[in-house]
Amino acid sequence: EVQLVESGGGLVKPGRSLRLSCTASGFTFGDYAMSWFRQAPGKGLEWVGFIRSKAYGGTTEYAASVKGRFTISRDDSKSIAYLQMNSLKTEDTAVYYCTRDRVIDYSNQLPFDWGQGTLVTVSS
Amino acid sequence: DIVMTQSPDSLAVSLGERATINCKSSQSVLYSSNNKNYLAWYQQKPGQPPKLLIYWASTRESGVPDRFSGSGSGTDFTLTISSLQAEDVAVYYCQQYYSTLLSFGGGTKVEIK
Repeated sequence: EVQLVESGGGLVKPGRSLRLSCTASGFTFGDYAMSWFRQAPGKGLEWVGFIRSKAYGGTTEYAASVKGRFTISRDDSKSIAYLQMNSLKTEDTAVYYCTRDRVIDYSNQLPFDWGQGTLVTVSS
Repeated sequence: DIVMTQSPDSLAVSLGERATINCKSSQSVLYSSNNKNYLAWYQQKPGQPPKLLIYWASTRESGVPDRFSGSGSGTDFTLTISSLQAEDVAVYYCQQYYSTLLSFGGGTKVEIK
């Protein structure tokens, strides 16, 4: 059974940092791209960014709203994807989800398995 | 960036009746090289993560009931629930994966009338 479990969320002050983890099981982690999404309370879904598999260079892409502040990485030996969030703002408050993605080609992927999410609250 | 616009924001449908949700993209998500529309639909029930229902605009994900169907091409798409069941109460999102920078519609809340 495929499982994606996010952890590391919590309450953090504006300007501080937080690292989220997405621990995967039930599939060959290294074969898949992994994405992060977020959902502010009562709002819609927002793509945060993704990391390609090593077969596609392990490179990353980010939404404009987080570029330069957030970094996605992966440890295939541990089946974990990370979201490092720096210079946090109150508007980053959201539930953060990780996904397993079907790779279509280098530029395109389709999220198809979602974790349960972890809540990040940025407040003084 | 590709902007996705859904309508309506919400709708109430009687059990067993049809529900129709529309989605429009700001530019075509039809890839000419493979003639595929890079458009997906997700269902999100309260307190749960989204669930992939349909991809390539009209292909049902494994295990999704056949009362869910997707149609459309280019910039205009539709999700249809042919006979609404109580368990279909949820928010539905369209999403384009034509661009590397993924984007979603604002969501449509489906309720029972």
